[in-house]
Amino acid sequence: SSELTQDPAVSVALGQTVRITCQGDSLRSYYASWYQQKPGQAPVLVIYGKNNRPSGIPDRFSGSSSGNTASLTITGAQAEDEADYYCNSRDSSGNPHVVFGGGTKLTVL
Amino acid sequence: EVQLVESGGNLIKPGESLRLSCAASGFTFSNAWMSWVRQAPGKGLEWVGRIKSKTDGGTTDYAAPVKGRFTISRDDSKNTLYLQMNSLKIEDTAVYYCTTGQDAATIYYFDYWGQGTLVTVSS
Repeated sequence: SSELTQDPAVSVALGQTVRITCQGDSLRSYYASWYQQKPGQAPVLVIYGKNNRPSGIPDRFSGSSSGNTASLTITGAQAEDEADYYCNSRDSSGNPHVVFGGGTKLTVL
Repeated sequence: EVQLVESGGNLIKPGESLRLSCAASGFTFSNAWMSWVRQAPGKGLEWVGRIKSKTDGGTTDYAAPVKGRFTISRDDSKNTLYLQMNSLKIEDTAVYYCTTGQDAATIYYFDYWGQGTLVTVSS
C-alpha cells in the first residue's frame, strides 16, 4: 500500500504563515485532504480536494499540491490552531483503500 | 446537524470479540458510505474499513491488518453502523471513530466524525 510522509513537528510564531507538507506517490494521482485534531478530540476536516474548506473552517486555512507533495497553509496562525494535523488520500495501489500521513504537531509560539 | 455516536468500547482480553455501534442522525444514513478509522494511544490515524450504501451494493473493504477478523455492517432501519471485531490483538487497542466517507474518483475524505470509543485489548 501507499505511504504518506509528514514532518513530525512544525512551529510558527503567532500571526505568521506556516506550511505543513505531506509527501507520497499517491498524491500524484489523488488529492489530499487535511484534518485538525486537538488533544482529546475527534479529527475535524479542514481542507479537501483541490482547495475546499468545509463550512465553518476559517479562510486562513488553504491547500495546494505539486507533484507528490500536498501542502496545508495557515496564513496568520492563531493560538487555537495549535493541534495535530493529518493528511490522507486514496491508496494508489489500485484497491479502494485509504492512507493517512503520520501527522504533524503544530506549535504556535 | 450531523451526529455520530459510537458505543461499545471496553477492556477485553486478547482473542476475544467485541462489537462497536455508531448511531447516526442528521443526514440520510441509508445513502451514506460509512467508514471506521482508529487511533492507537499517542499514534496517528489508521483507516479500518468502509461499507457502501445498499443502493451502491453495500460492499465492504478492509485494511490489511484487520481483514478476516473485522466485519462492518449496517442497519439502515436503525441508522446504525457496526464494527464486529473478532480475534482481537493487543495492537488493536485504539480509539475507534465512526466517519462519513466521501469517495470520488480522485479523492477520499471523511467529513463527519463521531467522538470515538476506546477499545483496550490487554491480558
